[in-house]
Amino acid sequence: DTEVTQTPKHLVMGMTNKKSLKCEQHMGHRAMYWYKQKAKKPPELMFVYSYEKLSINESVPSRFSPECPNSSLLNLHLHALQPEDSALYLCASSPGQTYSNQPQHFGDGTRLSIL
Amino acid sequence: AQKVTQAQTEISVVEKEDVTLDCVYETRDTTYYLFWYKQPPSGELVFLIRRNSFDEQNEISGRYSWNFQKSTSSFNFTITASQVVDSAVYFCAIQGGSEKLVFGKGTKLTVNP
Repeated sequence: DTEVTQTPKHLVMGMTNKKSLKCEQHMGHRAMYWYKQKAKKPPELMFVYSYEKLSINESVPSRFSPECPNSSLLNLHLHALQPEDSALYLCASSPGQTYSNQPQHFGDGTRLSIL
Repeated sequence: AQKVTQAQTEISVVEKEDVTLDCVYETRDTTYYLFWYKQPPSGELVFLIRRNSFDEQNEISGRYSWNFQKSTSSFNFTITASQVVDSAVYFCAIQGGSEKLVFGKGTKLTVNP
């Protein structure tokens, strides 16, 4: 079992739908990350939250909206997605963004399909 | 900018064979950290090892071993006596002062019974 929990595991949505991906960790980590991974590709960083504040946005389209309600939770709100947004979305956490020697712990991911 | 090259896209071996996954990196940082992650078909990235740029000692953990050589900017990963459960995609990654984790393209390892 992973220490980073992501829900749902699978999501199918239409291009006009609004949905949210959720991520939770109880390791006391202060940095949380969203990655997007297409098939046969490495994960690509989307957002980083450090101490509940957005610190990095890798020029992600506004149809993806992250939210960090508290230090344990990270959401990714989805609206008006495109078929090319179909991918595995991975959440990760680490003790702190400044502690770059500490490994990131990843969840199982949400497999998203856009119809 | 940092870069990781995993030249082997796919490797297929028979169970009990030894296999080495290559990783070559580029960085201008003097302090940096190298990682290996395993991604089984289930999707989760599993952390395997972290190495900092000042520690060139090789490491062994059970059937896994890592060879870090700064002179050739390589951080290779060897699995001894491979097992079917080792089948996965393996990513090498680097993290430096920018704090962004940069992954290689991954090597898909298939261990056949």
